[in-house]
Amino acid sequence: DQQVKQNSPSLSVQEGRISILNCDYTNSMFDYFLWYKKYPAEGPTFLISISSIKDKNEDGRFTVFLNKSAKHLSLHIVPSQPGDSAVYFCAAVRNFNKFYFGSGTKLNVKP
Amino acid sequence: DTEVTQTPKHLVMGMTNKKSLKCEQHMGHRAMYWYKQKAKKPPELMFVYSYEKLSINESVPSRFSPECPNSSLLNLHLHALQPEDSALYLCASSQAGANPTGELFFGEGSRLTVL
Repeated sequence: DQQVKQNSPSLSVQEGRISILNCDYTNSMFDYFLWYKKYPAEGPTFLISISSIKDKNEDGRFTVFLNKSAKHLSLHIVPSQPGDSAVYFCAAVRNFNKFYFGSGTKLNVKP
Repeated sequence: DTEVTQTPKHLVMGMTNKKSLKCEQHMGHRAMYWYKQKAKKPPELMFVYSYEKLSINESVPSRFSPECPNSSLLNLHLHALQPEDSALYLCASSQAGANPTGELFFGEGSRLTVL
């Protein structure tokens, strides 16, 4: 039973526009949530995180929003750049060491 | 040094072979992880070591045997694997305990093929 779900396998966005990647989770006991970015033939790299007690965290072009009542989080990338094209994984953490990953969304930013 | 290094990058083995995957980090992290990832699926947690002790085993079959010889090294010993065990095996590390950013540092993975 997958506790973290990314229902969009792919997303295509024009350069300069906003990319919105979505993630849903089922367990209300997660401590925090993270987004990872993965290029082909590389391991995932950390992008941004948010504690379960917050509803927004911003880092440059990247903002993560958490809606606890809906058990939903989203990653906004503004403005999108071609170098952002990658697979984005949402992850949720319980007990600080148990990371659960979504299946990923492949983002394509067109020049 | 913010790298997690995994060797080998590719491994092909028969069902009767014994092989090992290795992982190394020098960031002083005291939590290390093995994940398994099949194509188009999320990484699935296999094992977590915290302070060189096995803290989480996600009901992984005994043909996978983890080992943490010291705080920088993590091994995964493989024996009598099945073709369905073919996957990308990712090692990761993090600060142990409460991790302010929640960041996991991943290696590039070891691509395993079982014939």
